[in-house]
Amino acid sequence: DVKVTQSSRYLVKRTGEKVFLECVQDMDHENMFWYRQDPGLGLRLIYFSYDVKMKEKGDIPEGYSVSREKKERFSLILESASTNQTSMYLCASSLRDSQETQYFGPGTRLLVL
Amino acid sequence: QKEVEQDPGPLSVPEGAIVSLNCTYSNSAFQYFMWYRQYSRKGPELLMYTYSSGNKEDGRFTAQVDKSSKYISLFIRDSQPSDSATYLCAMGRNDMRFGAGTRLTVKP
Repeated sequence: DVKVTQSSRYLVKRTGEKVFLECVQDMDHENMFWYRQDPGLGLRLIYFSYDVKMKEKGDIPEGYSVSREKKERFSLILESASTNQTSMYLCASSLRDSQETQYFGPGTRLLVL
Repeated sequence: QKEVEQDPGPLSVPEGAIVSLNCTYSNSAFQYFMWYRQYSRKGPELLMYTYSSGNKEDGRFTAQVDKSSKYISLFIRDSQPSDSATYLCAMGRNDMRFGAGTRLTVKP
């Protein structure tokens, strides 16, 4: 059974803290994605990676960075958390040439106070 | 104007009803059209995808794409309480765009 796991289901952080969200997939997928999901806005792509150490900006990269040191792991970093980064964060993965078929993790609900 | 528009609902139907979910889009370059289902407190899961125009059927689910009208639909026949979820349309591939999702409740 394919699996994408995320390090935390719920997180509460203070404004200005550095936040790490981790995602691991066990499907040997080349592509990995980070989205945020907000009511009325749907999923918006923050960053994606198509290979180890490779990354591309999505639609809303400001305030975020990512790291992919190993194929199975993709980390999202909030350098200095702000209240407008309170959201649901979803990680996904796909095969290199099958981006239409993405497998999602359960999500991390982040609250920044 | 958003690239993908989807009525957020909520939509409530009795068990056994036929459900119609729809999205419109503005980018005529889209070739891949997907429907994802998201249960409460879970990540989305792919239900089905269609390449270009036409229909695709999978059990009780039928996806339709009308590229001339930039309109896609998902039909659910004989809806079940287990179909209660948020349904997200998505389109594109390298530049995938998601709708905001329609929340569906099927009442026993």
